[in-house]
Amino acid sequence: NAGVTQTPKFQVLKTGQSMTLQCAQDMNHEYMSWYRQDPGMGLRLIHYSVGAGITDQGEVPNGYNVSRSTTEDFPLRLLSAAPSQTSVYFCASSLGTSGTNEQFFGPGTRLTVL
Amino acid sequence: GENVEQHPSTLSVQEGDSAVIKCTYSDSASNYFPWYKQELGKRPQLIIDIRSNVGEKKDQRIAVTLNKTAKHFSLHITETQPEDSAVYFCAANNFGNEKLTFGTGTRLTIIP
Repeated sequence: NAGVTQTPKFQVLKTGQSMTLQCAQDMNHEYMSWYRQDPGMGLRLIHYSVGAGITDQGEVPNGYNVSRSTTEDFPLRLLSAAPSQTSVYFCASSLGTSGTNEQFFGPGTRLTVL
Repeated sequence: GENVEQHPSTLSVQEGDSAVIKCTYSDSASNYFPWYKQELGKRPQLIIDIRSNVGEKKDQRIAVTLNKTAKHFSLHITETQPEDSAVYFCAANNFGNEKLTFGTGTRLTIIP
C-alpha cells in the first residue's frame, strides 16, 4: 500500500491564482480530511469527508473547496490564493467514522503565496 | 466545539531523563486522545493513543495518562534518547465522529 499520497510537494503561487492540491489513499478509508499547519498553531482542520459524496467544513474553511467523488480521492481547491494561505497542508485518512481510529497523514504540501 | 490546550510549547531535557507534556480538553464527551510525533520536515505519526475507558496506557518508554474528571491527559517519555527530539501534538476527538482537535504542539529537544 502507498498509504496517503499528496501532490505536489511544493508549490509557489501568485496572489489570485487558483490551484488544486491532490490527495489519495489506497486503504479504503471512509474518513478523509485536510489540515493546515502554521508555526505555533498546530494542525487546524479545513474540510473533512465521512464518505464519498459527503463533505463538511472544519475550523478554517474560508477560501477552500473540496469534493469527494470517490472513496480514494479528496482534492483541496484554493479558489483565489492569498498570502494568508501560505502554509503546509496535510491530508489525512482513517478507517471508519467511530471517532477512535488512527488517522494516517500524507507527506504534506508546502505552499507559498506571493 | 472542542478546545485543546497543550503545555509546554518547548521542552529541553538531558538525555536519559524523563519528559512530560500535558494537555487539557474542554468537551467532556470526547473519548479518544491520540498523541502524534512530527520530526522535522516529516508528517505527523501516531505514537500512542488512549480511550476514555482506561486511565493509563504504556508502550515501552512512552505512556499516556488520562484524568476524565479533570479533563486532562499527559504524555510521559522515560529514558529519553536523541531520536525523541521532535514536535509532539496531542489531540482529542469530537464524540461520535473522526474529527480531531489538535493542541498547538511541544517542541522537545533532548540534550546529549
